[in-house]
Amino acid sequence: QQQVRQSPQSLTVWEGETAILNCSYEDSTFNYFPWYQQFPGEGPALLISIRSVSDKKEDGRFTIFFNKREKKLSLHITDSQPGDSATYFCAARAGTGGYKVVFGSGTRLLVSP
Amino acid sequence: DAAVTQKPRYLIKMKGQEAEMKCIPEKGHTAVFWYQQKQSKELKFLIYFQNQQPLDQIDMVKERFSAVCPSSSLCSLGIRTCEAEDSALYLCSSSQPSQDTQYFGPGTRLLVL
Repeated sequence: QQQVRQSPQSLTVWEGETAILNCSYEDSTFNYFPWYQQFPGEGPALLISIRSVSDKKEDGRFTIFFNKREKKLSLHITDSQPGDSATYFCAARAGTGGYKVVFGSGTRLLVSP
Repeated sequence: DAAVTQKPRYLIKMKGQEAEMKCIPEKGHTAVFWYQQKQSKELKFLIYFQNQQPLDQIDMVKERFSAVCPSSSLCSLGIRTCEAEDSALYLCSSSQPSQDTQYFGPGTRLLVL
């Protein structure tokens, strides 16, 4: 049973377009949702995160939209660049920092120049 | 910048052999996590240490793995008898319990032949 689901599995956009990555979850106790970016051969790196008390979090070209009622969130990458090509993982955690994070299966993003 | 170190980066074992990989958490971090990642898919939680004590682990780890943190600056994950399905990227992350962000190392890529 997958607690965090991501779609699409892969996404291709043109440079300058907005990429939209979707995520949904099951557990209503999840209160913290980080998005990680992973390049081939590297470990994941935190990109942006949001807590369940907020419905939007923005950091430069990256924005998370969060719908607690529907248990859905999305990551929007505006003005996509070829360097954004990577796998993006939506994750979720209950409790505080010492609890494990549950990861989705990832969305592989390709930005074509 | 956070820096979690993992060694070795690559490990090749024959089926039935023992494998061991090490993680040096970020200085001052007391929470250490191990994850298994296959084919750049979702990260599968394996075990969580807090102040060098294992607080949560999946059954597979209890049955076939050995994981310890003999000091606050070193943790290790071992596989007693490697199987083909153990081939994966093993990722270590660390964090402070009071903080949300987990910092990942580059991983140890294990290939079991």
